[in-house]
Amino acid sequence: GAVVSQHPSWVICKSGTSVKIECRSLDFQATTMFWYRQFPKQSLMLMATSNEGSKATYEQGVEKDKFLINHASLTLSTLTVTSAHPEDSSFYICSARGRQAHQGDTQYFGPGTRLTVL
Amino acid sequence: AQSVTQLGSHVSVSEGALVLLRCNYSSSVPPYLFWYVQYPNQGLQLLLKYTSAATLVKGINGFEAEFKKSETSFHLTKPSAHMSDAAEYFCAVSVLTSYGKLTFGQGTILTVHP
Repeated sequence: GAVVSQHPSWVICKSGTSVKIECRSLDFQATTMFWYRQFPKQSLMLMATSNEGSKATYEQGVEKDKFLINHASLTLSTLTVTSAHPEDSSFYICSARGRQAHQGDTQYFGPGTRLTVL
Repeated sequence: AQSVTQLGSHVSVSEGALVLLRCNYSSSVPPYLFWYVQYPNQGLQLLLKYTSAATLVKGINGFEAEFKKSETSFHLTKPSAHMSDAAEYFCAVSVLTSYGKLTFGQGTILTVHP
């Protein structure tokens, strides 16, 4: 149980275009989803916290107009990188936290999306 | 705010040897502590977690970790390394008041030699 999927697993786009990444909790309802960015040989940096039905909360230094997050249902959150530039190239990972009490504070991670902006 | 420090960005062991990956945390309130493993170009897989129950936590793949409040540590161990254990390991901390936000350590790359 507690499976999280991401789509696409990798994407290459031209500079200036927008890219949408989907994160789905497949077998549980996720009240909260998190979006992380991981640069090569570095740790995960939290970008934003997404709660179903409300606006995302962005971490300091993350541009909310550039990284649009939508959490429309208890099983789906999307991250749209708008007007992507080469410096946005990174590994984007989502995680989801379930609503059942027994799951405690565990986050379940998706497999990640490799974005390359040319 | 809470933080995590992983001592040693790279650890190398021989197959069959003890694995010890160090993690120290800082938190002003009781923490939840986690160890995750990441294989190349993949997401993170939960190995084990501490949530204020037993201080010795057993996880998957033979790993375990012990919460030591006096030392503010949560080191990860495995008695006998296997080649398949080669990966990057992340220690993370969260607290109830952070609404589940995880703060990660820098990661430790484990290499296993035959």
